[in-house]
Amino acid sequence: KAGVTQTPRYLIKTRGQQVTLSCSPISGHRSVSWYQQTPGQGLQFLFEYFSETQRNKGNFPGRFSGRQFSNSRSEMNVSTLELGDSALYLCASSLGVAGTYEQYFGPGTRLTVT
Amino acid sequence: AQKVTQAQTEISVVEKEDVTLDCVYETRDTTYYLFWYKQPPSGELVFLIRRNSFDEQNEISGRYSWNFQKSTSSFNFTITASQVVDSAVYFCALKGGTSYGKLTFGQGTILTVHP
Repeated sequence: KAGVTQTPRYLIKTRGQQVTLSCSPISGHRSVSWYQQTPGQGLQFLFEYFSETQRNKGNFPGRFSGRQFSNSRSEMNVSTLELGDSALYLCASSLGVAGTYEQYFGPGTRLTVT
Repeated sequence: AQKVTQAQTEISVVEKEDVTLDCVYETRDTTYYLFWYKQPPSGELVFLIRRNSFDEQNEISGRYSWNFQKSTSSFNFTITASQVVDSAVYFCALKGGTSYGKLTFGQGTILTVHP
C-alpha cells in the first residue's frame, strides 16, 4: 500500500500571501489529521477530518483552515501568512474508527515564510 | 487537559548500549491511547506502537520493548543493543478516548547512537 503523500514538499512564501497544502491518505483511510511542527512549540494538532467533516480543531487562529474531499484527500490553507507560520506541516491518516487510532504520517511540507 | 512529558531532551550512547526513553502522561480520560513515534532526519514520523489504557501488558518487538505502568502514568521505551540507525527523535503521544484525531505529543527525545 502506498503511504501518505503530501505536496508540495517544500514551499517558500512571502508574508501576507496565502498557501494551500495537499495530503493524500493511505487507501481506505477516512480520517486525516494535520499537525504543525516547530522547534519552539513542538508538534501541535491543527484539525482532523473524517468523511468530509471536521471533527476536531486545535488552538490555531482562523487563518488556518482545511477541508476534505469525498475521496478522503485533504487540503489545508493558511491565509495572510506570518513569519511564525514557518514550520513543517505534517498530515496523518488513520482508519478513524473506534479502536484503530494509530496515525500514519506523511513526509511533511516544509513551509518557509520570508 | 492532556499532557505528555519527556524529561530527557537528549541522550547520547555508544552502539550496543541499552537505552530507555521516559514518558509520563496526564489525562482525566479513563479510556486513552498511548503511542511512540520515531522521527529520523528525513522528517517523517514513523509509528512504532499503540497501547490502550486497559492493556498494561509490556510488549517486545525485536530490540524494542515498552513498559506501561498506569500506577505511575508512565509509558517507557527501551532499545536493547542500540545501533547507529536508531539515531532519531522519539516522540511519545497520548490520545484521549473522546478526542477525535488529536494526538498530544511530548517534546521529543533526541537519541544519538555513536559507533
